[in-house]
Formats: sequence, C-alpha cells, structure tokens
Amino acid sequence: GPKVLQIPSHQIIDMGQMVTLNCDPVSNHLYFYWYKQILGQQMEFLVNFYNGKVMEKSKLFKDQFSVERPDGSYFTLKIQPTALEDSAVYFCASSLGEGTEVFFGKGTRLTVV
Amino acid sequence: QQQVRQSSQSLTVWEGETAILNCSYENSAFDYFPWYQQFPGEGPALLIAIRSVSDKKEDGRFTIFFNKREKNLSLHIKDSQPGDSATYFCAASADAGAKLTFGGGTRLTVRP
Repeated sequence: GPKVLQIPSHQIIDMGQMVTLNCDPVSNHLYFYWYKQILGQQMEFLVNFYNGKVMEKSKLFKDQFSVERPDGSYFTLKIQPTALEDSAVYFCASSLGEGTEVFFGKGTRLTVV
Repeated sequence: QQQVRQSSQSLTVWEGETAILNCSYENSAFDYFPWYQQFPGEGPALLIAIRSVSDKKEDGRFTIFFNKREKNLSLHIKDSQPGDSATYFCAASADAGAKLTFGGGTRLTVRP
C-alpha cells in the first residue's frame, strides 16, 4: 500500500539544539499531519497542514515547533530549541483529502539529552 | 481527561477464539471511528473504520459494533491468529481525515 517515509528513524540531540524531522508523504496526498507519542502513552495530534498552511494545531504544538513543506519536498517538523520533554516518537501522516484514509509513517524516535 | 478510552491495556486470547477490544468516547461530535493496528517498529495501519450512522461494520474476520447512545464501540477479531498479535488503537474524529484522537491502545496477544 501507499507508504509514508520518515527520516531518520532515530535521532539523539542535545537539549537546546535544533532538530528537523523529515517526512516523505504519499505522493499525491494533500493533507499532512504530525502526531507525538511518549513511551507508554497514547498518540496525540500535533498539527495538520494543507495547501502550504497550518490548518489546526494542538496545545502540544509549542512556539518552538514549526512545520513546512517547501515546493513539494519533505514535510518537516522543526523544533528549535529542543527540550527534554520533547523526547518521544513523532509520527508523520498524510491523506489524499478530507474524508479519506490517513496513512502513517513508522515514526522517528527523538531523544533529547 | 481522555476523550477516547480503551478499557484494557492488554488482552490475551487463544488461537481460534474471538478477541473483543472495547473503546468508549466522550465527544458527541465524533462521527468517524477508525481502528489502527500497530506492530512493533511500524507505524499504525488502518484496519477497519465505521461512521456513526452505522451500528456495524464487517471486513473479513474484523467487525466493529457501534453504540451511539452509549458512546462505545468494540472491535471483534474472529478466529484470532498469532499474526494478529499487535497493539490496536481506537481513534475518533469529527470528520474523517481531520485530526484523530487516539485511545491508549490495547496490546493483543494471541497464543497458539
């Protein structure tokens, strides 16, 4: 089936540094999402993105977070600066449109030390 | 406050039995309820989904029973196989494709 690719699969970063998580969504999809899952807890919505704009974001999407998809390339989540509580698995997802199936990537495990 | 709640963190059944995974929700605006299956090291994959206008959705060995009045639903996996061992997430949204609110997941183990 359609694949959402996330690069890298693991990332370890020093607190205060910047990190960019990359996502290659399904090729013809138009809606993009980031979800965060802390170990042992449920997956939580961060943000969704359509037509170059953030459509909705949750309280977890702090000011230090930003997303973009320049010129149809990777859909990225940038965290600057990182904090210890940002350690989690971040899942990227995409869908063709509203009312269609959402496909998830395998996640990027971010460890902030 | 958990808007989507899965009553069991883990469930073990024998091969061939029917596994029943339960889910409840609080937001009356939710009208789309997908179940995702996740294997270790993988992302969640859509297994089956139901809209609130229906009370049952069947796809092969997987069936969702939905009770709008009680705000709960269950996933039944008939003739469980060891390969069904995974974590199952109940999710909900006010519109398919909009943001999903996930439950905490139920880790299913099917013993041969």
